[in-house]
Amino acid sequence: SAVISQKPSRDICQRGTSLTIQCQVDSQVTMMFWYRQQPGQSLTLIATANQGSEATYESGFVIDKFPISRPNLTFSTLTVSNMSPEDSSIYLCSVGGNTEAFFGQGTRLTVV
Amino acid sequence: QKEVEQDPGPLSVPEGAIVSLNCTYSNSAFQYFMWYRQYSRKGPELLMYTYSSGNKEDGRFTAQVDKSSKYISLFIRDSQPSDSATYLCALVKGAGGTSYGKLTFGQGTILTVHP
Repeated sequence: SAVISQKPSRDICQRGTSLTIQCQVDSQVTMMFWYRQQPGQSLTLIATANQGSEATYESGFVIDKFPISRPNLTFSTLTVSNMSPEDSSIYLCSVGGNTEAFFGQGTRLTVV
Repeated sequence: QKEVEQDPGPLSVPEGAIVSLNCTYSNSAFQYFMWYRQYSRKGPELLMYTYSSGNKEDGRFTAQVDKSSKYISLFIRDSQPSDSATYLCALVKGAGGTSYGKLTFGQGTILTVHP
C-alpha cells in the first residue's frame, strides 16, 4: 500500500481566486491521479499526472482550470483556478493500478 | 446513462445482519472491480478487489462478480456499527494503455448499522 498526504486538508476561498493542493506519496510512483467528489456525489477522475510529461485530462476538465504539476515521482500539485462556488468539492489524489488504488484524505474546498 | 450504477440508499440494518451492496455496469470493457469504504470526511479505503467472475472472500466481506450480467456485489456478514459508512464500487477498463489505473465509481451506498 501507499501512504498519501494532502495539503491543505480544507480551505475556504473567495471566488475568483486560485488554490493549489499538494499531494505527497511515500514511495515513487509513475502515475498519480486527481479526483473530485462533489457534495453528495461520487468520485470523478479529473486527470492523470505523469512525471516528465503533461497531465492528461478527462472529458469536461481542462488544463486552464485545473493545471497540474508533477515535478518528481513522489509529488504532484493540482491548482483550482478562478474558483466559483461550483468548485466547492473534495479533491483527492490517488496512486495505484488496475487492482489497487490508494487515496489521500482529501482536500475539502469551499468557495464563497 | 452512467457507465456504473449503484443504489445510493440509504440502507439501515440492525447489528448482525447480512448486508448486500450492488452495482451494475453497462460497458463490458470493465475488467477490474474494487470496493471502497469511505467514512465521513475521510478518503476512500480499499476493501477488496477482484478481476474474475465468481466470489472472493476476505473475513466478513465477500465480493461477487457476474460479468455475463454485468453485476457486482459486496456482502458484509455479521455487520457491526463500525461498518457504518459509504460504500463505493469502482471499476477499471482493460489491461493497460490509456485506461490503466483510471477508476470509474458508482454513486456510493450510505450504510448505517444500528446496535
